[in-house]
Amino acid sequence: QVHLVESGGGVVQPGRSLRLSCAASGFIFSDYAMYWVRQAPGKGLEWVSVISYDSNTKYYADSVKGRFTISRDNSKNTLYLQLTGLRDEDTAVYYCGGLGCWGQGTLVTVSS
Amino acid sequence: DVVMTQSPLSLPVTLGQPASISCRSSQSLVHSDGNTYLDWFQQRPGQSPRRLIYEVSYRDSGVPDRFSGSGSGSNFTLKISRVEAEDVGVYYCMQGTHWPLFTFGPGTRVDFK
Repeated sequence: QVHLVESGGGVVQPGRSLRLSCAASGFIFSDYAMYWVRQAPGKGLEWVSVISYDSNTKYYADSVKGRFTISRDNSKNTLYLQLTGLRDEDTAVYYCGGLGCWGQGTLVTVSS
Repeated sequence: DVVMTQSPLSLPVTLGQPASISCRSSQSLVHSDGNTYLDWFQQRPGQSPRRLIYEVSYRDSGVPDRFSGSGSGSNFTLKISRVEAEDVGVYYCMQGTHWPLFTFGPGTRVDFK
């Protein structure tokens, strides 16, 4: 059974950085692409970034390109999202996803 | 970029009655491999999204058979044959054909009249 657990969210000032993690279990993590999606308060779902199974391919939404970096450690079954240059509009619940499953999300609040 | 639209955006439903949500894409979702990567997600209040349907019409494990998906090309439908209380929430379609640029629809809020 696929299980994804995000962590690393919190309250951060504009311009600062944060690293999100997603611990995966229940499947062969190294075989699958993984992604991050976010949901601002009261809003819909926005795809953020995706990484191929071998880390060779990474793509980002235009809204985060140049500020966020996706990575993975297949030896630790963990997905990461490094958030830098945070803006108010980055406030959202961030979900990691793979194999059609999602975690419970971690809340990032950007506020001065 | 592919744009996904849904209608209606708000759907008042009656317990035990059928319900239907439409999803349209600005480009065909038929992949070069012949498959169509159109998924449906359900997000109940206060919960994370859960996939119900993948590749247009395949139900995920544990999804009640009152949920069904259909469609082709750029027009798709999610149907609930008989709405139950636990079906309240927001439903999103998502295209994965034009990988890696996944796109979600705006969501359809389902609630009781």
